[in-house]
Amino acid sequence: DGGITQSPKYLFRKEGQNVTLSCEQNLNHDAMYWYRQDPGQGLRLIYYSQIVNDFQKGDIAEGYSVSREKKESFPLTVTSAQKNPTAFYLCASSTTTGGNVDTQYFGPGTRLTVL
Amino acid sequence: GNSVTQMEGPVTLSEEAFLTINCTYTATGYPSLFWYVQYPGEGLQLLLKATKADDKGSNKGFEATYRKETTSFHLEKGSVQVSDSAVYFCALSPNYGGSQGNLIFGKGTKLSVKP
Repeated sequence: DGGITQSPKYLFRKEGQNVTLSCEQNLNHDAMYWYRQDPGQGLRLIYYSQIVNDFQKGDIAEGYSVSREKKESFPLTVTSAQKNPTAFYLCASSTTTGGNVDTQYFGPGTRLTVL
Repeated sequence: GNSVTQMEGPVTLSEEAFLTINCTYTATGYPSLFWYVQYPGEGLQLLLKATKADDKGSNKGFEATYRKETTSFHLEKGSVQVSDSAVYFCALSPNYGGSQGNLIFGKGTKLSVKP
């Protein structure tokens, strides 16, 4: 089955530690995205990538880093510089047509808790 | 700039009641509009979409019509079920030349349907 997988589902880390969230897709999508969701708020874009080896900052990139070495993978690292990292993190992917983005498809999410 | 405003919840309805969740937007150009649904502890699923004015998106008994004159995309369902209990997000994709095509989300509306 085609889809997006995120692992782990739940993640705990101590303050001051970096942690990497995995996102893999087998939909052959060019574009991939990371969002952060906090209670009572919509989704906020952290980083996105429209092609391998290229990515751009979203609205709240500070304290996060990404890489896009393969089309199917877009890992997100939450660094110790992120002041309030406890949140639900969602990865998404989409095709692009003529520079415009088609429907985004989401993974199941990773809930990160900083202890 | 681009933004989405949707009615705040929570919305509580009895089974078989009529549902309306209001969504209005501000956008440059001619955006595509989406409704996503999020069940507890899960990622987002696309519910329906519309890509141009007067288009009606529909799925699973839900409908929304792209109204350019009122910049709205209200979600409706004639008879809700307990299984419709979830958080509903309205979103837009700017879709103008050179756009990165990122989704801009409303804050979400939580729907609870009682038997």
